[in-house]
Amino acid sequence: RKEVEQDPGPFNVPEGATVAFNCTYSNSASQSFFWYRQDCRKEPKLLMSVYSSGNEDGRFTAQLNRASQYISLLIRDSKLSDSATYLCVVLTSGTYKYIFGTGTRLKVLA
Amino acid sequence: DAGVIQSPRHEVTEMGQEVTLRCKPISGHNSLFWYRQTMMRGLELLIYFNNNVPIDDSGMPEDRFSAKMPNASFSTLKIQPSEPRDSAVYFCASSKWDLTKNTEAFFGQGTRLTVV
Repeated sequence: RKEVEQDPGPFNVPEGATVAFNCTYSNSASQSFFWYRQDCRKEPKLLMSVYSSGNEDGRFTAQLNRASQYISLLIRDSKLSDSATYLCVVLTSGTYKYIFGTGTRLKVLA
Repeated sequence: DAGVIQSPRHEVTEMGQEVTLRCKPISGHNSLFWYRQTMMRGLELLIYFNNNVPIDDSGMPEDRFSAKMPNASFSTLKIQPSEPRDSAVYFCASSKWDLTKNTEAFFGQGTRLTVV
């Protein structure tokens, strides 16, 4: 079983839609969580960190469920520019390793 | 800040040749990571360094791969001999490790390697 798992998609949604991605992780000692965004043929870039109480940044909301070992990303009012691959990232206690999921591809359609 | 700098951006080489990828992390960062990305396997962590010391190289696929970090501002990933299945995008990333808070990893633009 992979350490971090994501549905690869693609998720095709119309502009203005709300879309949610989930990510599960296998190591219960995981301590830090992030969502990264990767555009085609570009490097991954941090979208937002995920905090235990959940956090919001504009149209983006991240949630953490430690009991079920998953994190989620909600995008409201999707824009064409949100089209990208969203990568779930987990950092495990006692290591410095950032483990990436394989990513979920989102395509926002006009 | 210039960010993480990788070179070359593109490399095409023949099977059997030696390939060296280079990375300059962000000044002040104490952790450096080498990743490989393919369509099939996504982003795989190959090796990471903390304070220039290799901490975990369990992701290095074979003995043909080696990595060094001679100082805080430079790292190399070497493949010798290269094989077609090594074709991928290789990313270097750095971070400033801090146990008290979430610290993100910053990525370079990657080296697109093609072995023919």
